[in-house]
Amino acid sequence: GAGVSQSPSNKVTEKGKDVELRCDPISGHTALYWYRQRLGQGLEFLIYFQGNSAPDKSGLPSDRFSAERTGESVSTLTIQRTQQEDSAVYLCASSLGTGQNTEAFFGQGTRLTVV
Amino acid sequence: SQELEQSPQSLIVQEGKNLTINCTSSKTLYGLYWYKQKYGEGLIFLMMLQKGGEEKSHEKITAKLDEKKQQSSLHITASQPSHAGIYLCGANSGGSNYKLTFGKGTLLTVNP
Repeated sequence: GAGVSQSPSNKVTEKGKDVELRCDPISGHTALYWYRQRLGQGLEFLIYFQGNSAPDKSGLPSDRFSAERTGESVSTLTIQRTQQEDSAVYLCASSLGTGQNTEAFFGQGTRLTVV
Repeated sequence: SQELEQSPQSLIVQEGKNLTINCTSSKTLYGLYWYKQKYGEGLIFLMMLQKGGEEKSHEKITAKLDEKKQQSSLHITASQPSHAGIYLCGANSGGSNYKLTFGKGTLLTVNP
């Protein structure tokens, strides 16, 4: 596609429920990133994919968070047993490769609200 | 891990005024990115700086990376309401670290 696409754009869920967030990167982009942005905060790195492997999962806040990626395509971020502190905008980005200075293109984000 | 500190945290200017936003790193910068974010939207890439002393401009926005590569500034000339938003600096830590970390952002308001 023309850009990074994320779905849903908004999600309201009850505490304790599981949610899945989807990211469609730009075609041909091997690198994919997930970030979380809480209200009034900067971007918090969650996980990075190179192809379908995740060399760096260091940012995942707890074992309730997991992510997977199919080949060099779609990625899903799953949050189990959601808590109110999980409420945030979840942003996905993709870039051409692992080159350090490669521009990352961002999606519009998924706004997650846990009630 | 690398930390990026942005200043000011927020800024209110009158339309037509110039302004500067700073980004300071705790480590040497190997790639410094500036992004703009409108409320509720994704990030829009503005510029990337790599070399010490490098300066880039796009329309009325100029970004510089200092010689020591630990600080960058973003300067907007003759600000307009369309410049309003959150400006975020991001950086790679170098080596095999592909992780792009960000500052907390600077909220810019431009009053007409």
